[in-house]
Amino acid sequence: DVKVTQSSRYLVKRTGEKVFLECVQDMDHENMFWYRQDPGLGLRLIYFSYDVKMKEKGDIPEGYSVSREKKERFSLILESASTNQTSMYLCASSPLSGGAYNEQFFGPGTRLTVL
Amino acid sequence: DQQVKQNSPSLSVQEGRISILNCDYTNSMFDYFLWYKKYPAEGPTFLISISSIKDKNEDGRFTVFLNKSAKHLSLHIVPSQPGDSAVYFCAASMDNYGQNFVFGPGTRLSVLP
Repeated sequence: DVKVTQSSRYLVKRTGEKVFLECVQDMDHENMFWYRQDPGLGLRLIYFSYDVKMKEKGDIPEGYSVSREKKERFSLILESASTNQTSMYLCASSPLSGGAYNEQFFGPGTRLTVL
Repeated sequence: DQQVKQNSPSLSVQEGRISILNCDYTNSMFDYFLWYKKYPAEGPTFLISISSIKDKNEDGRFTVFLNKSAKHLSLHIVPSQPGDSAVYFCAASMDNYGQNFVFGPGTRLSVLP
């Protein structure tokens, strides 16, 4: 059974704190993604990675950075958390298909609250 | 401006009837579309997909229709079951490796017993 796990289901942090969200997949997928989900806005792509140490900006990268040191692990970093980063964060992975399209497999999400 | 729109935030349907969820897109370069279902406290799960070379794809109770000229797709669920109650996201992609999907805001479906 394929699996994407996220380190925390719920997280509460204070403004200005550095926050790490971890994601691990066990499917040997090349692609990994970080989204945030907000009411009325759906899922918006923050960053994605198609290989170890590679990263690409998504639609809303401001205030975030990412790290991919190992193929199975993709971390999202909030350098200095702000209240407008309170959201549900979803990690996903997919294989590199070489031309065909593939569904993304999602983790359960981390609900982050920044006070 | 949202490239993928789901104009109905919510929909209620009686059990056994048909549920129709709609999705509109603005970018004619999109050529692959997916529907995801999301239950509370879980990540989205893939439901069904369609590429732009088709106008219909069917999988059991779920059928997706694509109207390229109208830039519109719809998901039909027949018959609807209470377990179908969830948020449904439409997603579209145009890149060659299927890496980047643009998601709509979602429609919350409630199937009433």
